[in-house]
Amino acid sequence: EAGVAQSPRYKIIEKRQSVAFWCNPISGHATLYWYQQILGQGPKLLIQFQNNGVVDDSQLPKDRFSAERLKGVDSTLKIQPAKLEDSAVYLCASSLNSLQGLLGGGLKNTEAFFGQGTRLTVV
Amino acid sequence: SQQGEEDPQALSIQEGENATMNCSYKTSINNLQWYRQNSGRGLVHLILIRSNEREKHSGRLRVTLDTSKKSSSLLITASRAADTASYFCATASSYGQNFVFGPGTRLSVLP
Repeated sequence: EAGVAQSPRYKIIEKRQSVAFWCNPISGHATLYWYQQILGQGPKLLIQFQNNGVVDDSQLPKDRFSAERLKGVDSTLKIQPAKLEDSAVYLCASSLNSLQGLLGGGLKNTEAFFGQGTRLTVV
Repeated sequence: SQQGEEDPQALSIQEGENATMNCSYKTSINNLQWYRQNSGRGLVHLILIRSNEREKHSGRLRVTLDTSKKSSSLLITASRAADTASYFCATASSYGQNFVFGPGTRLSVLP
C-alpha cells in the first residue's frame, strides 16, 4: 500500500512570500491532518479534515494559513505571506476513520500514517 | 497547550539495556498512542492503547496506561542502536479524533 505522499520535501522562501504544500493521503482514508513541527518540539495540529469538511482548525493562523481538500482526497496547505517563525516541518497524516463511525457516535480513533514532511525555511 | 508531556526529554543508554519513557496528560482521553520519529523523517506509529486497557505489548515494546494518574509509559526492552529516535505520545480526546502530541523524548542508544 502506498503511503502518504507530500511535496515538495524542502522549500526555502523569503519572508512575505507565499508557499503551498501538497499532500496525497492513503487511498480510502477519510481523515487528513496537517501538523506543524518546529525543531525540537512535538507536532502541533493545524487542521483536520473529515472527507472534504473541516473538523478542527482552531489552531490554524487563519490570517495567513489556508488549507483545502476540495474533493475529499488530496489537500493543499498555503501560507501567505510567510513569516520567519513559520520555519518548520509541515507534516501531513491520514487515518481511516469513517464518517459512518462519526455519525454513529462510535468515534474510532485509528492510527495516523504520516508523510515524510515538507521542511520549510523562511529567510 | 500540548496535552501530552513526555519525560525525560532526553535519554542515553547502552545497547541491550531497557529504555523507559513516560507521558503525562491533562484531560480525559479515548486512547493514547506512541510514535517514533527518526531524524528528518515522518512519524511512525508504534502502538495504541485504549482508555479501558492497562497494558499492551508489541514485540520489544510494552505500554502501560494509568488513567487515574493520567500517565502512560513506553518500555523498549533489549534496545538496539536502530532504536535511536525521538518518541512521542499522542492523545485523542473522547469527543474528537485529533491527536495532540507532547514534546517528545530523544533516545540515544549507544553501541
